[in-house]
Amino acid sequence: GENVEQHPSTLSVQEGDSAVIKCTYSDSASNYFPWYKQELGKRPQLIIDIRSNVGEKKDQRIAVTLNKTAKHFSLHITETQPEDSAVYFCAASRGAGNMLTFGGGTRLMVKP
Amino acid sequence: GAGVSQSPRYKVAKRGQDVALRCDPISGHVSLFWYQQALGQGPEFLTYFQNEAQLDKSGLPSDRFFAERPEGSVSTLKIQRTQQEDSAVYLCASSLEAAASTDTQYFGPGTRLTVL
Repeated sequence: GENVEQHPSTLSVQEGDSAVIKCTYSDSASNYFPWYKQELGKRPQLIIDIRSNVGEKKDQRIAVTLNKTAKHFSLHITETQPEDSAVYFCAASRGAGNMLTFGGGTRLMVKP
Repeated sequence: GAGVSQSPRYKVAKRGQDVALRCDPISGHVSLFWYQQALGQGPEFLTYFQNEAQLDKSGLPSDRFFAERPEGSVSTLKIQRTQQEDSAVYLCASSLEAAASTDTQYFGPGTRLTVL
């Protein structure tokens, strides 16, 4: 089955700096890669996703890149703000009707 | 509109008790997933429904776990004879349709189960 590794497990940055979180996956049939943000005690919320027919996607301060050959994808957050502090999870899936396999999570702390 | 809802939000059970966790997906969503999230870890897949059909239950950890979605809407996850290792947050997610580009999974707030 699919295995998703996520690094780093914790990341501390100064407000205004950039943050990068990296994930690798094992199943070459995976074609959908969402990123979720989870605040303490809250539900995971989708922040951005990418499908295997594109290499990069951007939404304001957030971008995701995908390298299918190397089986890795990354989340980039620019101009970080204290409200970006949360746990971020990457995930991989074979698409509609298939489970998400999650990475172990990255705790991002943005210091004001 | 209303998102995915789950009840109860918190459940404390004594070891050996049976529990039932409810998920109300977004109206009209075909696909429904259950995940288990242990403290400090990512969610792990338990089971998947397409309408009322349970198409994948490969993630259920034992035969004490049972899930149903009899009318293709509300789903219930039942755990019999709860054990301490069942303590976790149980998350439900739904997606609109089992087809490409409409497969975003929206999560409920979860039920935090504590087994004493």
